[in-house]
Amino acid sequence: AQSVTQPDIHITVSEGASLELRCNYSYGATPYLFWYVQSPGQGLQLLLKYFSGDTLVQGIKGFEAEFKRSQSSFNLRKPSVHWSDAAEYFCAVGFFNAGNNRKLIWGLGTSLAVNP
Amino acid sequence: GAVVSQHPSWVICKSGTSVKIECRSLDFQATTMFWYRQFPKQSLMLMATSNEGSKATYEQGVEKDKFLINHASLTLSTLTVTSAHPEDSSFYICSASIAGVQYEQYFGPGTRLTVT
Repeated sequence: AQSVTQPDIHITVSEGASLELRCNYSYGATPYLFWYVQSPGQGLQLLLKYFSGDTLVQGIKGFEAEFKRSQSSFNLRKPSVHWSDAAEYFCAVGFFNAGNNRKLIWGLGTSLAVNP
Repeated sequence: GAVVSQHPSWVICKSGTSVKIECRSLDFQATTMFWYRQFPKQSLMLMATSNEGSKATYEQGVEKDKFLINHASLTLSTLTVTSAHPEDSSFYICSASIAGVQYEQYFGPGTRLTVT
């Protein structure tokens, strides 16, 4: 069965420090991978996605993620965190279910806090 | 572009009553809309997928008679929680996807439902 694991429930970093949020998935075929960010009072916003091609994906707000098939991982990184990056981050895997409907399977999320 | 709105943003209703939540795609035609439920500090749980003009496909364990979904047009889907109970209190989020754009979903800001 498909699953997404985000091992870190909560992470705190200092402003200006680098960040890496981990995501591991379980899926039998080539996955479609996503990172979303959810801020209080706002809808989920797509940070970046991987469908195929270059395994290092650039996203918005200075984020990037690297797909590593051998490790079944899609970790999110940012070289220098800003206070405004404090939010909830979700990793998701897309696939077609038995009814040929597109579905996203979500990780439990990682809550990021940024110290000034 | 690709903006999704939800109305209301929050609602309080009494146990036994019904409440309707609207989800609109403002600047694109959404052939498929998704309804999610999110519990505090938890991930998104897909409730159902609806294609315009068709009956919604509900996920296992979701009561279709309790959570009525209508996708009458390419820009509007509604979720009606019938005979609401306190355990239905949650954060409901809709998303929409564009025909031909696989997997990418655009999310509404969510609706906080509290049943007293």
